[in-house]
Amino acid sequence: SAVISQKPSRDICQRGTSLTIQCQVDSQVTMMFWYRQQPGQSLTLIATANQGSEATYESGFVIDKFPISRPNLTFSTLTVSNMSPEDSSIYLCSVEVQGPSTDTQYFGPGTRLTVL
Amino acid sequence: DAKTTQPPSMDCAEGRAANLPCNHSTISGNEYVYWYRQIHSQGPQYIIHGLKNNETNEMASLIITEDRKSSTLILPHATLRDTAVYYCIVRALQGGSEKLVFGKGTKLTVNP
Repeated sequence: SAVISQKPSRDICQRGTSLTIQCQVDSQVTMMFWYRQQPGQSLTLIATANQGSEATYESGFVIDKFPISRPNLTFSTLTVSNMSPEDSSIYLCSVEVQGPSTDTQYFGPGTRLTVL
Repeated sequence: DAKTTQPPSMDCAEGRAANLPCNHSTISGNEYVYWYRQIHSQGPQYIIHGLKNNETNEMASLIITEDRKSSTLILPHATLRDTAVYYCIVRALQGGSEKLVFGKGTKLTVNP
């Protein structure tokens, strides 16, 4: 498994500002993912972040709005830019750990963002 | 879209077994069945996964039908702390990573 931490755990922000969320894992991993969970909804993948390459964004998410950095094998950041109330969500990072037969994703505790 | 169908909610008495069903009738031969749960606004927690054989770990058992079109997650002795949303996900691994597609899951409520 993997131990994943996120900072901040929660924040309240004003519209038009940006917030950078950090994700730290206790072991080196190739694949890291960022998800969004809007209130009362399930998780939606924002992007996949591999170390040393540009993040791959899912349909409906763009780099200008959600820039991602992946400077090394244990760390990633997601920035929510020019925020609006519609960005109020829980943002989660996950990592993929290779197992004997398959790979498994493990999730961080999430960052609860409220935009006023 | 999620490739699984789950009941939206279930109830279970504390101490009894909780059996959570999942239909995945379009599952392909190289797709695994994964189960996660999410306890109120926390990050999803990995529970178990399987391909075609039944699996058991310290948290739960996973029973997959012979045709692999459905599965059941079993929590043998449910406790109040097992109250959560349970997600069943099918996922293929083809030399790389495939994303997890979360459906709406099953809201399990364990009652005292």
